[in-house]
Amino acid sequence: EAGVAQSPRYKIIEKRQSVAFWCNPISGHATLYWYQQILGQGPKLLIQFQNNGVVDDSQLPKDRFSAERLKGVDSTLKIQPAKLEDSAVYLCASSPGTFAVNEQFFGPGTRLTVL
Amino acid sequence: SQQGEEDPQALSIQEGENATMNCSYKTSINNLQWYRQNSGRGLVHLILIRSNEREKHSGRLRVTLDTSKKSSSLLITASRAADTASYFCATDGAGKSTFGDGTTLTVKP
Repeated sequence: EAGVAQSPRYKIIEKRQSVAFWCNPISGHATLYWYQQILGQGPKLLIQFQNNGVVDDSQLPKDRFSAERLKGVDSTLKIQPAKLEDSAVYLCASSPGTFAVNEQFFGPGTRLTVL
Repeated sequence: SQQGEEDPQALSIQEGENATMNCSYKTSINNLQWYRQNSGRGLVHLILIRSNEREKHSGRLRVTLDTSKKSSSLLITASRAADTASYFCATDGAGKSTFGDGTTLTVKP
């Protein structure tokens, strides 16, 4: 089966600009996650969707980050405006179940550099 | 803050040796998972151990879980250069996974 797809793979922007990332999960997976991974650290959950509803967005900086999952399939994550500290890899993952007890399948990530 | 904390932060061994990395956590969990991340790639799931299990094997991997000590260990036996990667534990509680900052393993040929 096809894996989790993400685009773009790399993005370089200047601070205060906007950027959007796209994720296509594995077909049929109910749960979709967006993580932020800063260099040298583990992934930090930004938002978790179950189908097209938000399960957890407690660590999403809502003043600048937004995310949506259209029709319970693809998802986009947007940053507006970007700050220097947003430089990180943004990982999308999906899992077949509705709880994190299932293994998560990760995409390759989008490496964002904010100058 | 992160729930799981891996130890050591970095580990360097020779090919053929065993590698052991540990994960400690603070609150009760439903299960614990280990993931591998090669440089520049996404994470790959290795193994899941439930809170009522004590040990699990998968190929050259052995995972133990001690809920009384709130700790887990991942043992990779007969390591290979291809095992060079970062290894993360993820603790699952209330439907949410929390990752530690990982152990970076280098296996020298």
